Amino acid sequence: GQNIDQPTEMTATEGAIVQINCTYQTSGFNGLFWYQQHAGEAPTFLSYNVLDGLEEKGRFSSFLSRSKGYSYLLLKELQMKDSASYLCAVLGGSYIPTFGRGTSLIVHP
Amino acid sequence: GAVVSQHPSWVICKSGTSVKIECRSLDFQATTMFWYRQFPKQSLMLMATSNEGSKATYEQGVEKDKFLINHASLTLSTLTVTSAHPEDSSFYICSARNLAGNTIYFGEGSWLTVV
Repeated sequence: GQNIDQPTEMTATEGAIVQINCTYQTSGFNGLFWYQQHAGEAPTFLSYNVLDGLEEKGRFSSFLSRSKGYSYLLLKELQMKDSASYLCAVLGGSYIPTFGRGTSLIVHP
Repeated sequence: GAVVSQHPSWVICKSGTSVKIECRSLDFQATTMFWYRQFPKQSLMLMATSNEGSKATYEQGVEKDKFLINHASLTLSTLTVTSAHPEDSSFYICSARNLAGNTIYFGEGSWLTVV
């Protein structure tokens, strides 16, 4: 079966750095996605990792360790608009994405 | 701009009627599309996987006769909620996977309210 774990909620201060972790256990692995979802809206694509290492894209970076079944999303220079739910999704052997429950990030002044 | 377009964004229908939601990939061909529903403050729940030219694969507990899925082309999948009831009111979201399998984009979502 598939199991994706990420923290339910995190809080951080504007301008700070926050790391959202995701651990997974899946049947096969074909990549890991991170999405941002604001309340009442559809998820928007942030990153895709299929090889180990860090992928940097502006203020957001995503890291993957396949041997550890672990990924994190790093958000730098936090802004109020970054308050949202962050979803970790793993593409298993069937190429069907399995989503975690999402991490609600609250950024305060 | 959006690479996956979903329509309509909002729909209100009477109980017992049917509603069709369209999902189009705009910049790429998608042999596979996914349909999700999401209740407030809950995670995405996969309803079915839509494959171009073949029957959809439904997740356990999802009624295939109630949620009709058609994927007639590489850029269009439709979800029809038949004989809608108030408990079907939810946020329905589609996503499309490109042929290489390394990109999955979501549509904007459709809010369905059944009265």
